[in-house]
Amino acid sequence: DAGVIQSPRHEVTEMGQEVTLRCKPISGHNSLFWYRQTMMRGLELLIYFNNNVPIDDSGMPEDRFSAKMPNASFSTLKIQPSEPRDSAVYFCASSPGVKARREKLFFGSGTQLSVL
Amino acid sequence: GQNIDQPTEMTATEGAIVQINCTYQTSGFNGLFWYQQHAGEAPTFLSYNVLDGLEEKGRFSSFLSRSKGYSYLLLKELQMKDSASYLCAVIYNQGGKLIFGQGTELSVKP
Repeated sequence: DAGVIQSPRHEVTEMGQEVTLRCKPISGHNSLFWYRQTMMRGLELLIYFNNNVPIDDSGMPEDRFSAKMPNASFSTLKIQPSEPRDSAVYFCASSPGVKARREKLFFGSGTQLSVL
Repeated sequence: GQNIDQPTEMTATEGAIVQINCTYQTSGFNGLFWYQQHAGEAPTFLSYNVLDGLEEKGRFSSFLSRSKGYSYLLLKELQMKDSASYLCAVIYNQGGKLIFGQGTELSVKP
């Protein structure tokens, strides 16, 4: 199995530009999570989906952030417009079950985002 | 909030034993994970506890006390490759929301 696949690995953009991060979860997994990691705040949950449906987006910082999961094998996290404070590593993770209880998360390699 | 607290950093010697503690808010608790994260890499699963007691897996063990809102990760026979950040994470309520602590940066010295 290829694992969780994220693209791009690195993204450098200018303030005000739109950024789209992509994720392909492990085939057969029913839950998908987007996390953001910074030195100051650690690993923060932004949003998660069960069976392609957004369950909890309370961690999404503001309206500039949006996430979609059009099908079971693809999700996007979009930032528009981007700001320097959005610079972080963005991780996508998937798990086999709907409630993630007793089921570990499998993380992608992350996208290192730098907004100048 | 769902404060998950762990020490920021720890240092230990190769071959020794180290214990990394984690405390968390007990309301809504539904399980606790430990993850390991090497610099520049993604977190990887180490252990899961939902009942009180000790779970042992090779050199790594994890303990849970639900009434105290307390867990620890025990690493034995430390190796240089164990230098990493160790993240405590808690599932709250039935929704499966996994919340991570800030992580403990462990440095293993020769």
